[in-house]
Amino acid sequence: QQQVKQSPQSLIVQKGGISIINCAYENTAFDYFPWYQQFPGKGPALLIAIRPDVSEKKEGRFTISFNKSAKQFSLHIMDSQPGDSATYFCAASRAVSSGSARQLTFGSGTQLTVLP
Amino acid sequence: DAGVIQSPRHEVTEMGQEVTLRCKPISGHDYLFWYRQTMMRGLELLIYFNNNVPIDDSGMPEDRFSAKMPNASFSTLKIQPSEPRDSAVYFCASGDSVRYGYTFGSGTRLTVV
Repeated sequence: QQQVKQSPQSLIVQKGGISIINCAYENTAFDYFPWYQQFPGKGPALLIAIRPDVSEKKEGRFTISFNKSAKQFSLHIMDSQPGDSATYFCAASRAVSSGSARQLTFGSGTQLTVLP
Repeated sequence: DAGVIQSPRHEVTEMGQEVTLRCKPISGHDYLFWYRQTMMRGLELLIYFNNNVPIDDSGMPEDRFSAKMPNASFSTLKIQPSEPRDSAVYFCASGDSVRYGYTFGSGTRLTVV
């Protein structure tokens, strides 16, 4: 129940296209769903996150769509650019107890390549 | 803010040797996490601390692995003795209980030959 399943494993998109990465979870106790972006030689960096009380969150070219009933969420990158080429991880977390750290369960990652 | 600082960036060691990885979290963060990243297993949580106290070490693969946090500004992950299958990138991350996002360091790439 702690798994977060992510697809596809790799994605190649033309510049200007839309990149879509999907994740699914099983544990209904998860209540925070972040996406992390990782460039080679760097640690993952928080990109955008959503709570399950909304169905969509948009920040610039990045949008999270959330389907609570299906237990799925996805990242959409509009007008994809070569600089977006990176590995993207979805994650899910829940508070273990009030005021405690939110342990992240990561998906397996998607390597995105945006062709110029 | 310099972010989460990890050292060394790269470490190559021979099998059987002791390896110590270091982490300086962001000042004011009261949680510290150690992750391991491999192609096969992705990002795995090894252990995390709250206010310098280890809370959950269930992800530590074997007794060869140990972690300490002697104060709020420093943590170590030690592998003794090291084995080739320990080769991975080890990340330290810090956070607090108010904001949900973690900040990761740039990682230590460990190669055990």
